Amino acid sequence: DGGITQSPKYLFRKEGQNVTLSCEQNLNHDAMYWYRQDPGQGLRLIYYSQIVNDFQKGDIAEGYSVSREKKESFPLTVTSAQKNPTAFYLCASSIDLGGTDTQYFGPGTRLTVL
Amino acid sequence: DAKTTQPNSMESNEEEPVHLPCNHSTISGTDYIHWYRQLPSQGPEYVIHGLTSNVNNRMASLAIAEDRKSSTLILHRATLRDAAVYYCILVNSGGGADGLTFGKGTHLIIQP
Repeated sequence: DGGITQSPKYLFRKEGQNVTLSCEQNLNHDAMYWYRQDPGQGLRLIYYSQIVNDFQKGDIAEGYSVSREKKESFPLTVTSAQKNPTAFYLCASSIDLGGTDTQYFGPGTRLTVL
Repeated sequence: DAKTTQPNSMESNEEEPVHLPCNHSTISGTDYIHWYRQLPSQGPEYVIHGLTSNVNNRMASLAIAEDRKSSTLILHRATLRDAAVYYCILVNSGGGADGLTFGKGTHLIIQP
């Protein structure tokens, strides 16, 4: 089955530690995205990538980093510089960034900083 | 940046039609209107999208105003499984990240 997988589903980390969230897709999509969702809020764009080895900052990139070394993978690192990292993180992909291209979302990773 | 405005919540009865409004008064001619919905603790799923003409698919219908400054997502016969947060976003045909932020959406409550 084609789709997007995110791991782990739940993640706990101590304050001051970096943590990397995994996102893999087998849909052969060029574009991939990372969003953050806080309780009762909508989704805010952290980073997006339109092609391998290229990525752009979204609205709230500070304290986060990404890489896109392979088409199917777009890992997100939450660094210790992110002041309030506890949130629900969603990865998505689409064929491209065009207006007709729909986004396919993964199941999400819930990160809690202790 | 193109933005959308939606009511915070709406309530409907099971097996009745539901009309979810979205205002986008600053929409540009190359912005597509997309709708997604999100069940609790899950990622959003695509519902429907359109540019100018009304659109129908197996999940819903999308009615777009003639001036394109508003649109309405129509669920013809709501079920309990349709209870979710519905997001209306604008996606530019030229690409780029403008509009790839989902607002708070409309929390749809379905009463049995």
